[in-house]
Amino acid sequence: RKEVEQDPGPFNVPEGATVAFNCTYSNSASQSFFWYRQDCRKEPKLLMSVYSSGNEDGRFTAQLNRASQYISLLIRDSKLSDSATYLCVVKSNTGNQFYFGTGTSLTVIP
Amino acid sequence: DGGITQSPKYLFRKEGQNVTLSCEQNLNHDAMYWYRQDPGQGLRLIYYSQIVNDFQKGDIAEGYSVSREKKESFPLTVTSAQKNPTAFYLCASSKGLAGRSYEQYFGPGTRLTVT
Repeated sequence: RKEVEQDPGPFNVPEGATVAFNCTYSNSASQSFFWYRQDCRKEPKLLMSVYSSGNEDGRFTAQLNRASQYISLLIRDSKLSDSATYLCVVKSNTGNQFYFGTGTSLTVIP
Repeated sequence: DGGITQSPKYLFRKEGQNVTLSCEQNLNHDAMYWYRQDPGQGLRLIYYSQIVNDFQKGDIAEGYSVSREKKESFPLTVTSAQKNPTAFYLCASSKGLAGRSYEQYFGPGTRLTVT
C-alpha cells in the first residue's frame, strides 16, 4: 500500500470555481503534512503546511482529519494561474523522510 | 539570497558513463535529499542525509551514490549500473531534526538524458 494516495485527476474547472482535493495517508504515526504546488517541468514549491486545526491562506484552505487519515485542500475563486499539479506530502514523526503523493492535476479554464 | 542550487539544469550523457549532479544549499539546513521524478509520476527518494558524513538509502538507491562531506553540499552520482537513468532529479533540504514539522525546500532540478 502506498504511503500517500491522491486522485490524479485531471480536474478541469472554470475560472471562479471552487475545487477540492483529497489525499489519504497510511501511517497513523505521520505528524507533519504539507501541500506543494508543481508547475510543468519545475520543482515543487511549498503551498502550505497543514495544521491539526485546519488553516487558511487567502483562497486556499487546508484541513486534516487524523481519525480518517486524510488531508484536503480547497481552492476558492480559482484563477488561471492556479493551474498546476498539487502534491500531498506527509512526514513521519519518527524519521526525516517525506512521502509524496503522485499529485493531482488542475487546469483552470477561462 | 538563500536557497538551493542545482547544476547543470540539463545534462546529456552516453550510456555507460558515470555522471555527478551538484546540489548546494546556503539555508543552514541539516537534512538533504535526492529524488527522482519520471513523467507523470510522483517523487521517489534516492538517498537522504541527516547530518554531515552520514546518509541513508531511499526507495530506489540502486545505481546511485552520494557523499556528504560538507553541510552545504550533497552531490549525487548516477553510475552506469543505473538501468534507466533518464529522469528529472530534484534535490531538497529541510531543517532536519526528526519529529519536528519542518518543511522541505527544493532546488530547480537537473534533467538528465542518457542515450
